[in-house]
Amino acid sequence: RKEVEQDPGPFNVPEGATVAFNCTYSNSASQSFFWYRQDCRKEPKLLMSVYSSGNEDGRFTAQLNRASQYISLLIRDSKLSDSATYLCVVNYNQGGKLIFGQGTELSVKP
Amino acid sequence: DVKVTQSSRYLVKRTGEKVFLECVQDMDHENMFWYRQDPGLGLRLIYFSYDVKMKEKGDIPEGYSVSREKKERFSLILESASTNQTSMYLCASSFQPRGNQPQHFGDGTRLSIL
Repeated sequence: RKEVEQDPGPFNVPEGATVAFNCTYSNSASQSFFWYRQDCRKEPKLLMSVYSSGNEDGRFTAQLNRASQYISLLIRDSKLSDSATYLCVVNYNQGGKLIFGQGTELSVKP
Repeated sequence: DVKVTQSSRYLVKRTGEKVFLECVQDMDHENMFWYRQDPGLGLRLIYFSYDVKMKEKGDIPEGYSVSREKKERFSLILESASTNQTSMYLCASSFQPRGNQPQHFGDGTRLSIL
């Protein structure tokens, strides 16, 4: 089993749609969770951290379910500029090492 | 803003050459990392470092070495480049040795070994 598993993509959605990405992780001791965004041929960039109580940043909402070892990202009112690959990221241990999921590709169409 | 700078965006080298990839960060981060990213395989950790002169093997260290002589600089070395090391190489840094902080990436180096 992979340490971090994400929904297979690609997700093709129309502008204005709501889309949800899911991610499961295997290490129950993980303490930190992030969503990154990666545009084609560019470096990954931090989208948002995921907090235990859930958190929202504009059109983006992240949720964490520790019991099920499950993280989600919800994007409301999708824009063309949201087209990218979204990476689920979990810390490995108390050090700085992070485990990256394979990513889910999102394509928002006009 | 955190700035992680990689020395080259594109690099072409020949099989058997010794290749140096340089990475510099300006935020006084303790942790630095080298990854490679290949289609279908995602990000794979090569080496990382928690402090000057310290290094730890990641998941795929074979054929690579690293050097961290100064806190802000982390170098990746391909001892004898091979064609299967053609890839996108990404450097990252983060704050706190024991923290759970996000990593910040450089622009990446697209390395081709001919």
